[in-house]
Amino acid sequence: EAGVTQFPSHSVIEKGQTVTLRCDPISGHDNLYWYRRVMGKEIKFLLHFVKESKQDESGMPNNRFLAERTGGTYSTLKVQPAELEDSGVYFCASSQVGGILEETQYFGPGTRLLVL
Amino acid sequence: GEDVEQSLFLSVREGDSSVINCTYTDSSSTYLYWYKQEPGAGLQLLTYIFSNMDMKQDQRLTVLLNKKDKHLSLRIADTQTGDSAIYFCADYKEGRTGRRALTFGSGTRLQVQP
Repeated sequence: EAGVTQFPSHSVIEKGQTVTLRCDPISGHDNLYWYRRVMGKEIKFLLHFVKESKQDESGMPNNRFLAERTGGTYSTLKVQPAELEDSGVYFCASSQVGGILEETQYFGPGTRLLVL
Repeated sequence: GEDVEQSLFLSVREGDSSVINCTYTDSSSTYLYWYKQEPGAGLQLLTYIFSNMDMKQDQRLTVLLNKKDKHLSLRIADTQTGDSAIYFCADYKEGRTGRRALTFGSGTRLQVQP
């Protein structure tokens, strides 16, 4: 079974540009999460989808960040325009809905974003 | 302050035991997790423990949970150089708004000396 995949693995952009990150969750997982780790600090929650609906987006830092999950499969996270402080590693995770396994989140390898 | 705290660095010799500690603040946490991140890789789920358990053992890994002190530890027996990585402690809880998310510590970098 394929795990959570993310694309690209690395992205280097200039301040003011736009970047779109993609996450493909484990097949059958309706829960999809975005997290990020900035400057070697703790990994922080950004938002949570259940299928195509945003369940919780309280962790989104500002309106430069837009997450979508059309069709309830893969998700994209767009940063527009990117700022220097957006540099970090963006992780995606997924989990099943219902039962004990819902609380266990499986993470992708992350996208390392560097804004110059 | 942070909800989950960990020491930043631990160095051990190959073959010794490693103990990585974590403290958390929210007593309503239902599950506590340990994730491992190797250099250049993503987060790998190592193990988890339900909040009503005191201990869980899985091969070389032993997780101890002290709910009274809100203290979680991960013991790695016979530590190998391949265990060198960053270890993240995380707690999970469902909030009043239905929020379901993990709260992570800053990670402990484990360095294993040959």
